[in-house]
Amino acid sequence: QKEVEQNSGPLSVPEGAIASLNCTYSDRGSQSFFWYRQYSGKSPELIMFIYSNGDKEDGRFTAQLNKASQYVSLLIRDSQPSDSATYLCAVTNTGNQFYFGTGTSLTVIP
Amino acid sequence: DAGVTQSPTHLIKTRGQQVTLRCSPKSGHDTVSWYQQALGQGPQFIFQYYEEEERQRGNFPDRFSGHQFPNYSSELNVNALLLGDSALYLCASSSPERISNYGYTFGSGTRLTVV
Repeated sequence: QKEVEQNSGPLSVPEGAIASLNCTYSDRGSQSFFWYRQYSGKSPELIMFIYSNGDKEDGRFTAQLNKASQYVSLLIRDSQPSDSATYLCAVTNTGNQFYFGTGTSLTVIP
Repeated sequence: DAGVTQSPTHLIKTRGQQVTLRCSPKSGHDTVSWYQQALGQGPQFIFQYYEEEERQRGNFPDRFSGHQFPNYSSELNVNALLLGDSALYLCASSSPERISNYGYTFGSGTRLTVV
């Protein structure tokens, strides 16, 4: 069974702080890694993808990947109340089937 | 440019009944995947369709079946509904050359409640 593990939270940070979300995965063959944001009652929307070790930055978001440790993280700088949502980590090896974690609930406190 | 369209948005069914959910992929996408998301859980892969064929299937019973049409739209059918089938059903579209790098585009989902 291929597993993706995330802390369910809730994670609370004050507005303007850095939010750090973590994810580990069990399948060493995983090739691509994604972070989705899901607001309550809505569908997931893609925030970041990464497939090479290291950091990838896009605006206030930075994804970090360490394949040796089977670990991927998402940093959100200057957190805003609108960032309050559940963040889903997803991994795939073939591109056909994505394995999702249960998500981390983030609350940004004004 | 329309995104992924799903219908209906909400549905209430009785145990033992059958249900059909529909999905139209984003323009330019030819691959459709279906996911089930129970409350408080991450999406679980049901199956993926490409070129009107089921390309891969997750760990779901045969009560779950699907179809893809020549225009790339897709249906998810669930027979003999159980209370545990209550969930948000997500359709996701992509193209084969982009999926590993760019992921899916999800529809807004169909909320199925089985009573």
